[in-house]
Amino acid sequence: GAVVSQHPSWVICKSGTSVKIECRSLDFQATTMFWYRQFPKQSLMLMATSNEGSKATYEQGVEKDKFLINHASLTLSTLTVTSAHPEDSSFYICSASAAGAADTQYFGPGTRLTVL
Amino acid sequence: RKEVEQDPGPFNVPEGATVAFNCTYSNSASQSFFWYRQDCRKEPKLLMSVYSSGNEDGRFTAQLNRASQYISLLIRDSKLSDSATYLCVANAGNNRKLIWGLGTSLAVNP
Repeated sequence: GAVVSQHPSWVICKSGTSVKIECRSLDFQATTMFWYRQFPKQSLMLMATSNEGSKATYEQGVEKDKFLINHASLTLSTLTVTSAHPEDSSFYICSASAAGAADTQYFGPGTRLTVL
Repeated sequence: RKEVEQDPGPFNVPEGATVAFNCTYSNSASQSFFWYRQDCRKEPKLLMSVYSSGNEDGRFTAQLNRASQYISLLIRDSKLSDSATYLCVANAGNNRKLIWGLGTSLAVNP
């Protein structure tokens, strides 16, 4: 159980375009979803935390107008990278946790974004 | 000081060796601790949670010392398949936010 999927698994886009990444909890209801970014040889950096039906809480230094997060249902959250630039190229990973499951986070397989 | 600090690594060990990873955390309010493993270009996968009493799962043993704010992971009889990056994680006090260490790379050689 506790499977999280992400789509797409990789994407290459031109500078200036927007990219949407989906994160789905397949067999449980995710009251909270987390979006991380990981650059090569660096650790995971939390970008934002989203609770179903409410606005996401962004970490310091993360532009909320650039990284749009929607958590419209208990099984789906989306991250849209708007006007992507080469420096946004990274590995984006979502995780989800269920109500009452304390700190246990289940991770999606990640999306590798390359902006040309 | 980083909130979660780990051994810099990399560790190169022969098959069958015992290897220990250390980690310290700075937030005394942290209450939950984990070890994750991450393979190259993949998402992190939970290896084990860490409890005050220490816990063991097969060849893996995790220890927590709250007084010293120190966490360890011991891998016995290492296998080639243990080669990965091991990430030490602590929660940020009373919320679900996780703080990640930079990870320690392990290469188990034949």
